[in-house]
Amino acid sequence: DVKVTQSSRYLVKRTGEKVFLECVQDMDHENMFWYRQDPGLGLRLIYFSYDVKMKEKGDIPEGYSVSREKKERFSLILESASTNQTSMYLCASSLRVSGYEQYFGPGTRLTVT
Amino acid sequence: GENVEQHPSTLSVQEGDSAVIKCTYSDSASNYFPWYKQELGKRPQLIIDIRSNVGEKKDQRIAVTLNKTAKHFSLHITETQPEDSAVYFCAASRDSGGGADGLTFGKGTHLIIQP
Repeated sequence: DVKVTQSSRYLVKRTGEKVFLECVQDMDHENMFWYRQDPGLGLRLIYFSYDVKMKEKGDIPEGYSVSREKKERFSLILESASTNQTSMYLCASSLRVSGYEQYFGPGTRLTVT
Repeated sequence: GENVEQHPSTLSVQEGDSAVIKCTYSDSASNYFPWYKQELGKRPQLIIDIRSNVGEKKDQRIAVTLNKTAKHFSLHITETQPEDSAVYFCAASRDSGGGADGLTFGKGTHLIIQP
């Protein structure tokens, strides 16, 4: 059974803080993704990675960076958190196989005050 | 980049009736179209997907149709049941053989099944 875990379910940070969101998958998936989910906007892709140390920008990368030092771990970094980054953040992973399902983690609800 | 429009935003149907959710996409290079279901407080889960070389796919009470010329695809749920109540998201992506490069999602449809 695929398991994608995220380091925190809820996180409260102050404006200007550096924030790390961690995602770990245990199924040896090559592809990993970070999305944010906001009411009425659906899910939007921030960054993805198809291999260790590789990263690709998604649709809304501004204000975020990522790190993939190990195959099973993909980190999302907010260099200087702002209130408009208050959101639900979802990590996902998949095999690098055509049409393979993306498996999502439980999400981290981040509040920036 | 890709843009996916999804309608309606809310859909209320009587239990046992059918539900249809429609999506359009803009990038003619998109070739992979999954549908995800998200129950309240839970993570999105794939329920069905279709590739651009197929016009229709069925899995029990769920079917998806794709019109590549018109760039639209639809989710059909027949004989709806209370457990079908959830938010449904369509998505589109280019899949060049190594998995989707990241999905562009529609804004979601809140499906309500009335008893």
